[in-house]
Amino acid sequence: EPEVTQTPSHQVTQMGQEVILRCVPISNHLYFYWYRQILGQKVEFLVSFYNNEISEKSEIFDDQFSVERPDGSNFTLKIRSTKLEDSAMYFCASSARGTAAEAFFGQGTRLTVV
Amino acid sequence: QKEVEQNSGPLSVPEGAIASLNCTYSDRVSQSFFWYRQYSGKSPELIMSIYSNGDKEDGRFTAQLNKASQYVSLLIRDSQPSDSATYLCAGAFSGNTPLVFGKGTRLSVIA
Repeated sequence: EPEVTQTPSHQVTQMGQEVILRCVPISNHLYFYWYRQILGQKVEFLVSFYNNEISEKSEIFDDQFSVERPDGSNFTLKIRSTKLEDSAMYFCASSARGTAAEAFFGQGTRLTVV
Repeated sequence: QKEVEQNSGPLSVPEGAIASLNCTYSDRVSQSFFWYRQYSGKSPELIMSIYSNGDKEDGRFTAQLNKASQYVSLLIRDSQPSDSATYLCAGAFSGNTPLVFGKGTRLSVIA
């Protein structure tokens, strides 16, 4: 069964460092998303990406964040200068037809900023 | 502000019973709703989607949507201990806007 894969599963970084979280969406999907979940809290939307550009972003997704699809398969989230409050699980998701259809989530990257 | 509200629980049911999970949402302009199951420390796993008023059944799961009352529910029949998890309700309110998640309801099925 096709699945969304994310790497790494766990990343520990020092405050102020840059991190890149990687995702390989399901191959025939066209819509890609990043969500995050701070421990014990809701899953929160960060950004959606379609046709090689950002289609929507939340107020969490400030200038420290960026996304890229460097090739035909990977979808990355970069945090330029991490803060303690960026510690969370980051989930990549993909969908065949936007939110009119089901979105499938990767297993997540646990980011710990120390 | 589009909101999805869930009772955080925990909801405890005995093995074999029906678990009923509820969700309300704030915006009448709704399109689709999804139920995800999340085990502790794991990612959300899609278990049901529902797009129109009424009931939708898939195995032991039934999703119900009532757009007039702005209410979505998930019934789990013959609950098993392996169903113990947090159940997330998520709504897609229009077009390709991203999913809005509730806080989730923690379900505990007691053997």
